[in-house]
Amino acid sequence: GEDVEQSLFLSVREGDSSVINCTYTDSSSTYLYWYKQEPGAGLQLLTYIFSNMDMKQDQRLTVLLNKKDKHLSLRIADTQTGDSAIYFCAEGSSSGSARQLTFGSGTQLTVLP
Amino acid sequence: EPEVTQTPSHQVTQMGQEVILRCVPISNHLYFYWYRQILGQKVEFLVSFYNNEISEKSEIFDDQFSVERPDGSNFTLKIRSTKLEDSAMYFCASKANGGSYEQYFGPGTRLTVT
Repeated sequence: GEDVEQSLFLSVREGDSSVINCTYTDSSSTYLYWYKQEPGAGLQLLTYIFSNMDMKQDQRLTVLLNKKDKHLSLRIADTQTGDSAIYFCAEGSSSGSARQLTFGSGTQLTVLP
Repeated sequence: EPEVTQTPSHQVTQMGQEVILRCVPISNHLYFYWYRQILGQKVEFLVSFYNNEISEKSEIFDDQFSVERPDGSNFTLKIRSTKLEDSAMYFCASKANGGSYEQYFGPGTRLTVT
């Protein structure tokens, strides 16, 4: 079945760039997603990328997709303390219109002052 | 901005009891989902619901679980006889239509089974 893997922890200094990495196994994935979870809150959709794209930029967020290596990354420019959260990578099943999501275990991003 | 809401935020129940977790999806959304996250584990898909019926379900979603859309706004998850291993955060999500790829999640209900 599908599997999505992420490293568990990342620490960066405020103002630096953060890069969170993810690998997935399902070559038929249509869309790949990044969600953010702050303490006590739900999963906030940050951005997503279609599998025929290499890159998507949205303000401070840049998503890079290497479909050959099944590698997805999220770069956060000028990381702020408010960016401290758990970031989940997810891939969307291409079968059916419901398109359930398969999540990674999440990367805890800590932004140090 | 429209959002998915869930109640209660935290539910404590005794093993063997029935619980109903409630969700109000975003208005006009047509697809509804339940996911769960056991502490320290990945968020896992449970079930998707469209046009008043289950469209997909995972192997976790056994006969102990059921979903319902009792009216035009609520979407519920019922666990008939809770087990200790049902303790988890349960997330509801909704999606606008079949052509949409954006699933929006609620804040979750933390279920604790004692």
